[in-house]
Amino acid sequence: KQEVTQIPAALSVPEGENLVLNCSFTDSAIYNLQWFRQDPGKGLTSLLLIQSSQREQTSGRLNASLDKSSGRSTLYIAASQPGDSATYLCAAPFYNQGGKLIFGQGTELSVKP
Amino acid sequence: EAQVTQNPRYLITVTGKKLTVTCSQNMNHEYMSWYRQDPGLGLRQIYYSMNVEVTDKGDVPEGYKVSRKEKRNFPLILESPSPNQTSLYFCASSLFGVGNTEAFFGQGTRLTVV
Repeated sequence: KQEVTQIPAALSVPEGENLVLNCSFTDSAIYNLQWFRQDPGKGLTSLLLIQSSQREQTSGRLNASLDKSSGRSTLYIAASQPGDSATYLCAAPFYNQGGKLIFGQGTELSVKP
Repeated sequence: EAQVTQNPRYLITVTGKKLTVTCSQNMNHEYMSWYRQDPGLGLRQIYYSMNVEVTDKGDVPEGYKVSRKEKRNFPLILESPSPNQTSLYFCASSLFGVGNTEAFFGQGTRLTVV
């Protein structure tokens, strides 16, 4: 079964700390991997898309990496701020799944001032 | 601005009263889909559409219908809503259903069925 897992489920850090969120997937046959941010009760905002042929993508203080061989992706957030507090979700469309995104359960991040 | 627009954002309805949640995208995307998000279960796909007039079931299609008569619109229809369909619903679109295309999501519709 194709699955996406995120650990930990929740993370609390002091402001200014660099942090890493983890995402693992059971099958390397993915088209890409996408990281999203979700604020409580709100929609999903796309943060980064890493294509299957890429190793990493950067946007501002965010850097996402992809290692298909090990089935892992990480989202690195530099110099965290209270405004970064949200739930972060990773998702991947696997081959032969009709374009369906399979999501991890998310990591709820809290950045304390 | 490129976006996926859902309406309504919030809806409270009674069991059995038919409702439609609209979804529209302005990016000329071929692929559109609906997900529901529930605590402990995460996001699950309900239905998807590869292109106009082409729709197919996702993982949890029971109790839902969809149509894709125009490229930009993909409404979700609950013909006889039940309390177990209380959830947060998201519409999504991407250029294609396969390949390296980015998915864009709407702001969500919080549905409560009493």
